[in-house]
Amino acid sequence: EAEVAQSPRYKITEKSQAVAFWCDPISGHATLYWYRQILGQGPELLVQFQDESVVDDSQLPKDRFSAERLKGVDSTLKIQPAELGDSAMYLCASSRNRDTPYEQYFGPGTRLTVT
Amino acid sequence: SQKIEQNSEALNIQEGKTATLTCNYTNYSPAYLQWYRQDPGRGPVFLLLIRENEKEKRKERLKVTFDTTLKQSLFHITASQPADSATYLCALGNYGQNFVFGPGTRLSVLP
Repeated sequence: EAEVAQSPRYKITEKSQAVAFWCDPISGHATLYWYRQILGQGPELLVQFQDESVVDDSQLPKDRFSAERLKGVDSTLKIQPAELGDSAMYLCASSRNRDTPYEQYFGPGTRLTVT
Repeated sequence: SQKIEQNSEALNIQEGKTATLTCNYTNYSPAYLQWYRQDPGRGPVFLLLIRENEKEKRKERLKVTFDTTLKQSLFHITASQPADSATYLCALGNYGQNFVFGPGTRLSVLP
């Protein structure tokens, strides 16, 4: 069964350092999402891609976060500089499209700890 | 602004009983609602989707209801098992718009 891949699974970094996460969605899924999930809360959307284009980044803190999906396949989310409040689980998800009710397939997530 | 509330933070039930989880929302008119299961340290897994014109959906031991008048969805797990212990998330959406997730309810099924 196809799965969404994410790496690394765990990342510890010092504040003010740069950190990057990678996601490979299920083959053929045009839509890719990055979420942030704080312990005890639901996932919060950071950015959504349709193929290689950003369709929603309204909740992305653009002064320090950036995301790209250059060839419309895998994606990278970067934080520079990291802050203590960025400690969370970063989840990537993909779906076939966003025009009809769709189920999202989530990856295992990257647990980020900023010290 | 839209708000989604789920039960209490945690729900404990005895094995074999029916677990009922609640998802309430305000300032929102979703066209559909989804339920996901999330195990510790893992990503959510899709369980069921129900549309605004559907009253009820079933899948094996799972049942979801959607009442747009009460602005509420109920998620039932019948004949619950310890393996059903997890956090359950509801997510609301509209066509062409992104989902908004609730905070989740942590279910513990005690043997």
